[in-house]
Amino acid sequence: AQSVTQLGSHVSVSEGALVLLRCNYSSSVPPYLFWYVQYPNQGLQLLLKYTTGATLVKGINGFEAEFKKSETSFHLTKPSAHMSDAAEYFCAVSDRPAAGNKLTFGGGTRVLVKP
Amino acid sequence: KAGVTQTPRYLIKTRGQQVTLSCSPISGHRSVSWYQQTPGQGLQFLFEYFSETQRNKGNFPGRFSGRQFSNSRSEMNVSTLELGDSALYLCASSLVAGGMGTEAFFGQGTRLTVV
Repeated sequence: AQSVTQLGSHVSVSEGALVLLRCNYSSSVPPYLFWYVQYPNQGLQLLLKYTTGATLVKGINGFEAEFKKSETSFHLTKPSAHMSDAAEYFCAVSDRPAAGNKLTFGGGTRVLVKP
Repeated sequence: KAGVTQTPRYLIKTRGQQVTLSCSPISGHRSVSWYQQTPGQGLQFLFEYFSETQRNKGNFPGRFSGRQFSNSRSEMNVSTLELGDSALYLCASSLVAGGMGTEAFFGQGTRLTVV
């Protein structure tokens, strides 16, 4: 069964510092890859996704992620953290090929931004 | 364009009762998926419906069921509630049947508390 691992359940960064959130998947066939963000008492919002093509994907709010097949990774970065980036971030995968829209999520990483 | 609407936002139920949660997808979206989010287990896939047919099902007991109506609205039902069913239940809608890394749009969720 597909699994997704996010290293670090909590990350603390200073405002203006680099944000790096790690995600590794388990399948031998690279899946579709997603990063979602969740603010308190809210649903999930898509930051970016990788389906095919360029391995460096740019998303909303200045985030980007790089797909590395050899490392089975899809790490999320943002060069300069803002206070508004404090939230929980989830990496998710969808099988390729897929019979539906089922997403398998990592455990999430909660980001704290210090002023 | 209205987003995914979940009702109610909050529910308190007693052990042994049953509950029905509702999800209205984005207009034109025909795929609806349900997820359970708990601090211990994270985000887990419950099931997906497309054109009134269940296409995928997660590893949950038969007490969890769902359905989709011809207007794509979906309901999920949990019978004989247990304390462990306390969770945030998230609904996600997608435009197409899946298989291409389709984006899922999430509602704000229904917070169910079982006492």
